[in-house]
This record gives sequence, C-alpha cells and structure tokens, in this order.
Amino acid sequence: DQQVKQNSPSLSVQEGRISILNCDYTNSMFDYFLWYKKYPAEGPTFLISISSIKDKNEDGRFTVFLNKSAKHLSLHIVPSQPGDSAVYFCAARYNQGGKLIFGQGTELSVKP
Amino acid sequence: KAGVTQTPRYLIKTRGQQVTLSCSPISGHRSVSWYQQTPGQGLQFLFEYFSETQRNKGNFPGRFSGRQFSNSRSEMNVSTLELGDSALYLCASSLVSTNEKLFFGSGTQLSVL
Repeated sequence: DQQVKQNSPSLSVQEGRISILNCDYTNSMFDYFLWYKKYPAEGPTFLISISSIKDKNEDGRFTVFLNKSAKHLSLHIVPSQPGDSAVYFCAARYNQGGKLIFGQGTELSVKP
Repeated sequence: KAGVTQTPRYLIKTRGQQVTLSCSPISGHRSVSWYQQTPGQGLQFLFEYFSETQRNKGNFPGRFSGRQFSNSRSEMNVSTLELGDSALYLCASSLVSTNEKLFFGSGTQLSVL
C-alpha cells in the first residue's frame, strides 16, 4: 500500500528551464511533507519542507506547493542547473513522532 | 561535526546467511532509523530506535531486527537472507524524532547471491 506516490520515475529538463516534480498521497492525515535529494553513492539530503497549514514554501530556486484537496504536492526548481541532476524523494508524516513515509523517487536529469 | 557513518559500504552474502550492518549517528542525535531502498520501491521504513528502545516499526518480517546502544550507535541484523533482501540499506539520525529533518548515511549496499 503505497501512501506516497511519485508516478514519474524520470524527468529530463534543459538547463535554465523549470523542473516540476510531482508527488501524490492518499492519507489525508499527513500534516508535514518533505523533499530529499539523493546523488549516486550518497545518502539522501534534506531539501525543503512544508506544513499542511501552508500551500507554498520557497527556498531560493526551490519552491514546494501543496494542494490538500487534490492530495498533491510538487517541487519546482527554477532555473534548473546540471548539478540538480539527482533522484528526488518526497516524504510525509501524519503525527508527531510518526515515521516518515517516502515515495519511490523521481530521477531528474538536467541537460546543459 | 562528523556525519552519519555506515559500515560496511558493500557486502556480498549468500542465501541463508545472516548479516549485521552498523550505523553511527551524528554526535548528539538520539534517534536512529533504518530504511531499505530498492529500485521502484523508494525508501521503505524498517524501524526507528530512540534511547535504546524501538519506537516505530515498518512492515518487514521478523528476520529484520535492530538494536541501539547507549552511545546511540545502532545495528541492524537480517537473518536467513533471501535474494529479495538485496538492496541499499540507509541509516538516518535526528535529534529527537524521525519526523524532524533526517540526516542520512551513504548506506550499505547488500547483495545476496
């Protein structure tokens, strides 16, 4: 039972353009969402997060949007850079002290 | 500050054997959680330890177990290995709770032949 889904295994974008990574969830009790980035041979690193009481959070080139009615969140990277090429995981939790549930990941490739 | 350290980086085992993986969290972090990463499945939560006690558990069979020591270091054990256990095993630490920002190690790549 995949409660957090990233339906696109891969995405290819030209350098300088916008990258949009999508994530859907099924559990309406989730109250906090995070994005992690993973390079090969390294562990995932935290990128950005958003609370369910917000619909947008921005950090430099990275913006996360949350649409609670659609149970959908997205990560926008503008402008995309070749160094952004990595696997991106979205994650969610549904209570304090609860475990983080991750999606399957989307591999982003940014071409020069 | 040193990051999360996992040893070994690579392991090759055969079916039926058992394996122990080790994780040293960031100094001062008391929560250690373990994840399994396989292609197409993302990161699957195994369990979380806090102050030497298992606080959360994922949906894995009893062959997967873990423990945490008083210095917060953690070990994960898999007994009676199966081919499907081949995966990257990631350890993550956080100050208090799994749903804070997690800091991951580089993982142990386990291959079961």
